[in-house]
Amino acid sequence: AQSVTQLGSHVSVSEGALVLLRCNYSSSVPPYLFWYVQYPNQGLQLLLKYTTGATLVKGINGFEAEFKKSETSFHLTKPSAHMSDAAEYFCAVSRPPGGSARQLTFGSGTQLTVLP
Amino acid sequence: DGGITQSPKYLFRKEGQNVTLSCEQNLNHDAMYWYRQDPGQGLRLIYYSQIVNDFQKGDIAEGYSVSREKKESFPLTVTSAQKNPTAFYLCASSISRGRFTGELFFGEGSRLTVL
Repeated sequence: AQSVTQLGSHVSVSEGALVLLRCNYSSSVPPYLFWYVQYPNQGLQLLLKYTTGATLVKGINGFEAEFKKSETSFHLTKPSAHMSDAAEYFCAVSRPPGGSARQLTFGSGTQLTVLP
Repeated sequence: DGGITQSPKYLFRKEGQNVTLSCEQNLNHDAMYWYRQDPGQGLRLIYYSQIVNDFQKGDIAEGYSVSREKKESFPLTVTSAQKNPTAFYLCASSISRGRFTGELFFGEGSRLTVL
């Protein structure tokens, strides 16, 4: 069984401030981890993913996330928020390859607001 | 450009009516999925299909039906048996089973409101 917990359903930051969105997971096997972003009234798009190898992964739009096995975390960060970052962000966990999205579990999402 | 097209974007339905949401992809992906999104609940899998003429129930299949007659198309019917159908519905696709990397490609969604 696997699960994802996103701490904070709403996060507000000022433009130019650090963005930190928290994600903790549970998995009985080494996980694959993902962050997706959803802009208003649109579908989701992949922001970044961790599969194996380097634990710090970089994604699009200046975001990055670090896989910390000891803390079972995969927090998403961006050094300086931009107004265009306002969106909902979803963390997801999957079992290693060979399966399908049937094994993909999404968190409940974090709505990011960027204040001018 | 390759992608997933969902239609209609907005749909209103009276109670007791069935409605069908369209999903078409030109990414040549074998696998397609339907998710339901409600505020604060993330995405929940309704049905998925890994190959033409085959599909499987997800976590919340009751009150929904699908078909997969063509690789490009995976329509979802919301039947009158679905007790709370008002939601945002997302169609997605991925490369085939066995090579799944976790990346889903999503359409822009269909918002269904029951009056």
